[in-house]
Amino acid sequence: EDQVTQSPEALRLQEGESSSLNCSYTVSGLRGLFWYRQDPGKGPEFLFTLYSAGEEKEKERLKATLTKKESFLHITAPKPEDSATYLCASPRGRRALTFGSGTRLQVQP
Amino acid sequence: ETGVTQTPRHLVMGMTNKKSLKCEQHLGHNAMYWYKQSAKKPLELMFVYSLEERVENNSVPSRFSPECPNSSHLFLHLHTLQPEDSALYLCASSQVAGVNTGELFFGEGSRLTVL
Repeated sequence: EDQVTQSPEALRLQEGESSSLNCSYTVSGLRGLFWYRQDPGKGPEFLFTLYSAGEEKEKERLKATLTKKESFLHITAPKPEDSATYLCASPRGRRALTFGSGTRLQVQP
Repeated sequence: ETGVTQTPRHLVMGMTNKKSLKCEQHLGHNAMYWYKQSAKKPLELMFVYSLEERVENNSVPSRFSPECPNSSHLFLHLHTLQPEDSALYLCASSQVAGVNTGELFFGEGSRLTVL
């Protein structure tokens, strides 16, 4: 079973201060790496799917990238509304996912 | 109603009670899931149903009993729970066709407290 490890556990940024979150994985053959956002008291919300090393996906201030060993979620000029827990996940069979512990991001005005 | 709906949103029960969590998806998906989210721990997969057939049971204690009567509804029946079962229980659905796209649609969860 694939494993994903996220770092840092928590990150506090000032509004406009760009940074990156890391997700490293151990896989026998990469079959996808996925990013989610979870707001307090809510279920996770799907953000991105990455399948190949070198692949990049963007959405507003977020950009996800993938190498052969890890994925990064880059946050450019974050705003307070970007505060959330960001989860990465790897495939578990054809259907389910195995999630990492997440990075709790707090963006202060 | 749109998306994935879970009821109740909050539940407090004693260790001898029997209760059920309900999940309904309005997306026409063919797979449904129960995940458990405890403080400081990653989401833990509990059960997977595909076309109403349970295809995965991730070593979950028998005090948790899932039921999937049709492709739109999923239940989690709870009995004689322990305080350590207190957690956020999340239901999700997806459309499974071939390659795992990683796109699960989650409900807002049922926050369970066992006294």
